[in-house]
Amino acid sequence: EAGVTQFPSHSVIEKGQTVTLRCDPISGHDNLYWYRRVMGKEIKFLLHFVKESKQDESGMPNNRFLAERTGGTYSTLKVQPAELEDSGVYFCASSRAGRGTDTQYFGPGTRLTVL
Amino acid sequence: GNSVTQMEGPVTLSEEAFLTINCTYTATGYPSLFWYVQYPGEGLQLLLKATKADDKGSNKGFEATYRKETTSFHLEKGSVQVSDSAVYFCVNSGGSNYKLTFGKGTLLTVNP
Repeated sequence: EAGVTQFPSHSVIEKGQTVTLRCDPISGHDNLYWYRRVMGKEIKFLLHFVKESKQDESGMPNNRFLAERTGGTYSTLKVQPAELEDSGVYFCASSRAGRGTDTQYFGPGTRLTVL
Repeated sequence: GNSVTQMEGPVTLSEEAFLTINCTYTATGYPSLFWYVQYPGEGLQLLLKATKADDKGSNKGFEATYRKETTSFHLEKGSVQVSDSAVYFCVNSGGSNYKLTFGKGTLLTVNP
């Protein structure tokens, strides 16, 4: 069974540019999550999809961030325009169900550097 | 709210030494607790988990027991190997059904 994949693995952009990160969850996992780790901080929850619907986007830092999950399959996270403080590692995870007891399977992350 | 406090690293041990990484948590409701590990150049992997008080999670020689009375979930291994070198994260699902709260991570280096 293929794991969670993320693309790209690294992205370097200049302040003010736009970047789109992609996540492909494990096949059959309805629940998809985005997290990020900015420098020196803990990994923080951003949002949660159930199929194509946003269940909770309380962790999204501001309206420069837009997440979508078309057709309930892969998801994209767009940052527009990017700011310096957006630099960090963005993780995607998926799970079959959305209960607290369920294991979330993480992708390798996308390292974003904003110059 | 939900939080996780884990032992700050880095931790450096010799092969076959005993490992403890302390972790305490606060949570609303009845959390599940996890240890995730990130090996160099790789993504986060689940190491072990416990879903209720007094449960013991175990995997690859690592163990952690969910202690409600002390709100702790310390990670232990009796004899570490060089291949255990990684960053270890204590994680709490809190009272929610999906939102994970992470500790800051502990870098473990095991020398031959």
